[in-house]
Amino acid sequence: AQTVTQSQPEMSVQEAETVTLSCTYDTSESNYYLFWYKQPPSRQMILVIRQEAYKQQNATENRFSVNFQKAAKSFSLKISDSQLGDTAMYFCAFRNNAGNMLTFGGGTRLMVKP
Amino acid sequence: DTAVSQTPKYLVTQMGNDKSIKCEQNLGHDTMYWYKQDSKKFLKIMFSYNNKELIINETVPNRFSPKSPDKAHLNLHINSLELGDSAVYFCASSQATYNEQFFGPGTRLTVL
Repeated sequence: AQTVTQSQPEMSVQEAETVTLSCTYDTSESNYYLFWYKQPPSRQMILVIRQEAYKQQNATENRFSVNFQKAAKSFSLKISDSQLGDTAMYFCAFRNNAGNMLTFGGGTRLMVKP
Repeated sequence: DTAVSQTPKYLVTQMGNDKSIKCEQNLGHDTMYWYKQDSKKFLKIMFSYNNKELIINETVPNRFSPKSPDKAHLNLHINSLELGDSAVYFCASSQATYNEQFFGPGTRLTVL
């Protein structure tokens, strides 16, 4: 079974600065998908970014980018120019190629300070 | 134009009762899911369902059962509610050939 680990339960960053959230996973598969979801206080789950394991290029979405290290099984999220609205729980998630179900990490609570 | 909706958003009930949470998606997706988020914010898959197959997480008690009247709906029925069932339950949907899952707003269930 796959496992996803987020080693930082809480983090804080000053507005306009950059922060990196860590995620590692364990799998024996070679093809899979990785995601970062954001859960603000409203508790809505919002997809931030996704990465296909067969793609070497790191995904980017505006201020959000990932550092995908397949050999190390690492998938970190970098948030540039942090905004107050980025304050939320962030979840890393894994999906294998065969199934549809997501396996989530334990989450990182990010606080952006003014 | 809500993509995935759930009702109710809050549900407070007594131990031993039976309750249902409804989920509807208007995205035309063919696969729907239920997730449970516990008090420590840990999210875990409960079910995955499309018109061909129901996949059940083996850790889910059989008091929980998904019911799908059609492709756009996947309701969660819970029998004999227990205190430990208190959590936020999320419905999600995806198109099997596309990987992104869209989540509903969640239902906070409190069992007293």
